[in-house]
Amino acid sequence: QKEVEQDPGPLSVPEGAIVSLNCTYSNSAFQYFMWYRQYSRKGPELLMYTYSSGNKEDGRFTAQVDKSSKYISLFIRDSQPSDSATYLCAIRETSGSRLTFGEGTQLTVNP
Amino acid sequence: GAVVSQHPSRVICKSGTSVKIECRSLDFQATTMFWYRQFPKQSLMLMATSNEGSKATYEQGVEKDKFLINHASLTLSTLTVTSAHPEDSSFYICSARDRASGTYEQYFGPGTRLTVT
Repeated sequence: QKEVEQDPGPLSVPEGAIVSLNCTYSNSAFQYFMWYRQYSRKGPELLMYTYSSGNKEDGRFTAQVDKSSKYISLFIRDSQPSDSATYLCAIRETSGSRLTFGEGTQLTVNP
Repeated sequence: GAVVSQHPSRVICKSGTSVKIECRSLDFQATTMFWYRQFPKQSLMLMATSNEGSKATYEQGVEKDKFLINHASLTLSTLTVTSAHPEDSSFYICSARDRASGTYEQYFGPGTRLTVT
């Protein structure tokens, strides 16, 4: 069993739709949760970072963590064609430990 | 802030030759840098962690004699793929941790696409 599971998609939505991206993890020691966005042939860029259960909002993006279910989500409101990219969840146990990435979900937002 | 660069952005080499990839933190000091490999439509796989002034720590299954890592300064780490073979063709991405920030966040470079013919 992979430590982090993420549906690779692809996911295709119309412009303006609400997008929901999800990851599950198996190790309850994971404490820090991140979402990265990766455009084609580019390095990942950090979108959201959280270390507690609950919601964290930043503009059109909301990260949600449910530690009891070992489930994390990223919601994108009013999706735009420029949001088309691969979204990777990443998790780590402690503040200094290595990141474990999900497989990434490829998202296309159609104008 | 927190910009990481990689050079070259893409490289094509012949089988059996060695290739060096540079990773630089441009506006911060990085005590720790990470090297990842990413195959098409797959996630990032950590290859090794390098700390300035000490030997790199390699992940299980990564040959340290094939993937030489040097972290010579607080702003530069290099990955040398020795005796490259076609199966080494991949997207190599580095990341760096900002020593001063205290957040342990990793900032990623733009990646280097290696093609071995």
